[in-house]
Amino acid sequence: GQNIDQPTEMTATEGAIVQINCTYQTSGFNGLFWYQQHAGEAPTFLSYNVLDGLEEKGRFSSFLSRSKGYSYLLLKELQMKDSASYLCALNDYKLSFGAGTTVTVRA
Amino acid sequence: DTEVTQTPKHLVMGMTNKKSLKCEQHMGHRAMYWYKQKAKKPPELMFVYSYEKLSINESVPSRFSPECPNSSLLNLHLHALQPEDSALYLCASSQDENLRGSPLHFGNGTRLTVT
Repeated sequence: GQNIDQPTEMTATEGAIVQINCTYQTSGFNGLFWYQQHAGEAPTFLSYNVLDGLEEKGRFSSFLSRSKGYSYLLLKELQMKDSASYLCALNDYKLSFGAGTTVTVRA
Repeated sequence: DTEVTQTPKHLVMGMTNKKSLKCEQHMGHRAMYWYKQKAKKPPELMFVYSYEKLSINESVPSRFSPECPNSSLLNLHLHALQPEDSALYLCASSQDENLRGSPLHFGNGTRLTVT
């Protein structure tokens, strides 16, 4: 199995930076997704890493290191609307989700 | 706005009822999925259809019966459900089953309550 681990909860202040880590144990996979899910809503796609390195998309960046079994999602200039659950998911010919990290942004 | 449309948004059904959840996408995607999500848990894969054929069944009980009438539509037929089946049921689609061409696009889900 993939054994995907994420912290359960994180709290940060508006305007700050938060890094959400995702570790996994798997022998091989096509890529790693990050999704955002607001309470009661559908998950929405944030980023997809296939190769090692950093992918930047505006305020959000995602990093992957296959050799270290590790990814992170970096949220910069936090806004109140960023309060949500963030899910990492491994693409191993079917998507396996981590349990998700609930981020709370405080004023 | 989501490009994957699910109906109904909410459904309350008794354990002896038969109901269906519907999902539609017009993005030309050839893979469609059903996920189940309980509160504060990640989505759990139930079924995958690829080119209108059932590709993956994650050992889902037979009281859940999927159907893919065409490449744009996906149904989930429900019969004799249990209260523990109450959850958010998410439909999703992608360009292909390998997820290399595009990510999963989720619908807003159907909130199901079994009484």
